[in-house]
Amino acid sequence: DIQLTQSPSFLSASVGDRVTITCRASLGISNYLAWYQQKPGKAPKVLIYAASTLESGVPPRFSGSGSGTEFTLTISSLQPEDFATYYCQQLIGYPVTFGPGTKLDIK
Amino acid sequence: QMQLQESGPGLVKPSETLSLTCTVSGGSISSSSYYWGWIRQPPGKGLEWIGSLYYSGTTYYNPSLKSRLTISVDTSKNQFSLKLSSVTAADTAVYYCARLACFTSCYYPRGYYMDVWGKGTTVTVSS
Repeated sequence: DIQLTQSPSFLSASVGDRVTITCRASLGISNYLAWYQQKPGKAPKVLIYAASTLESGVPPRFSGSGSGTEFTLTISSLQPEDFATYYCQQLIGYPVTFGPGTKLDIK
Repeated sequence: QMQLQESGPGLVKPSETLSLTCTVSGGSISSSSYYWGWIRQPPGKGLEWIGSLYYSGTTYYNPSLKSRLTISVDTSKNQFSLKLSSVTAADTAVYYCARLACFTSCYYPRGYYMDVWGKGTTVTVSS
C-alpha cells in the first residue's frame, strides 16, 4: 500500500494568514494526488486534483504543488470559511489511500 | 446537477450485514466516464476507501474488507449498493458514496478522484 503522511496534524492560524500543508507519499506517485476539504458534519469536497489543478468553483486562494513523493496545499490568505480538516489522497495505487488529515483551526 | 444520496438502516446488530444504497440523480450511473465508490469515516477519525465499481459491474475492494464486502450496481434504478457482512463495532462510521472522475490515463485507480459526494449516512453497530 502507498502510505500518505501529512504535516502538521494540527495548525492554528488567523484570518489573512498564508498556510501550507504538506503531504508525503511512501512511493513516488507522479502527480496523482488530490486534496479534499471537510467541515464538521459535512462530506469532503475536492479542492485540487492532479496535484495542482483547481477543481471548478474552488477559490484561487487555494493552490497545490509537488510531484513524486512530496506535495503541498497552500491557502494564500485564510478566510473564515477555510477552517476545516484537509486530506490528501493518492490516485495511482491500489488500494486507494488517504492521508490522516490536517485540522486547521482559528488562532 | 448530479446528486448522490445514501440510504439504509442507521443501526445494525453485531454479526449482521450492513446494507446501504446510493441513489444517483441528475445524471446516469451508466456513463462511461465515471466510477462510483464508497468511503467511510469512523467517529473522530479519517477517511477510509471501501470500494469502487463501474456501471458494467467491475468492482475493486479494499483488501482489508474484501472478505466481507459486496458492492453492486442496478442501472435500471440508477443505484449502487454496499453490503458488509459480520459487522462489529469497528464498522461504526459515517458512510459516503461518491462519483469518481478521471483526469488522465483513466485506468482505475490511476487518475480517479472523488468529485461528487453524498451527504453521508451514519451507521452504528450495536446490540
